Amino acid sequence: LAKTTQPISMDSYEGQEVNITCSHNNIATNDYITWYQQFPSQGPRFIIQGYKTKVTNEVASLFIPADRKSSTLSLPRVSLSDTAVYYCLVGVKNQGGKLIFGQGTELSVKP
Amino acid sequence: DVKVTQSSRYLVKRTGEKVFLECVQDMDHENMFWYRQDPGLGLRLIYFSYDVKMKEKGDIPEGYSVSREKKERFSLILESASTNQTSMYLCASGSAPREYEQYFGPGTRLTVT
Repeated sequence: LAKTTQPISMDSYEGQEVNITCSHNNIATNDYITWYQQFPSQGPRFIIQGYKTKVTNEVASLFIPADRKSSTLSLPRVSLSDTAVYYCLVGVKNQGGKLIFGQGTELSVKP
Repeated sequence: DVKVTQSSRYLVKRTGEKVFLECVQDMDHENMFWYRQDPGLGLRLIYFSYDVKMKEKGDIPEGYSVSREKKERFSLILESASTNQTSMYLCASGSAPREYEQYFGPGTRLTVT
């Protein structure tokens, strides 16, 4: 399984766009990139998954360059409620559901 | 909405006690998982199950066992609780074809004294 590297923490202010980058230099051809979000005192929640280029849903956008060695989760106009830990996971699309969580990025949104 | 419930939010047990953590999901998911989450170590997979009466070891199964007698219920058992099992325990469920999208319960904060 490809190892991922993310910043440990990030700060932002309400209304800003936040971009969290994840490095995965050893990503394999069959690997997908998946992001989860975890609020304090809750279990993680699936945000988005992609393979290449750009994926967008109602919560976030995921940008993946052509070489796929990194990916960027983009949160538009964050609010205080977006304060959470964001995890980047890389692996075969389903891999039997075995998710490998790294350390994650702790995002703090300030007023 | 998928709902994954766990039997307790907080639990305090003594060293050597047998501990049962229960997890129930209401979406008929085939797959169920138990993780523990510790500061600095992230989430680690303990055990998982792809079907009733089936179980597979995750990355840190030592000191734990599981039981899945019904599809909706997945139990984690600490045979003899130890202080290093003090942790947040999270249950999750999922189903094909989107196995990568797991639904997590609220967690059980277990303290072993």
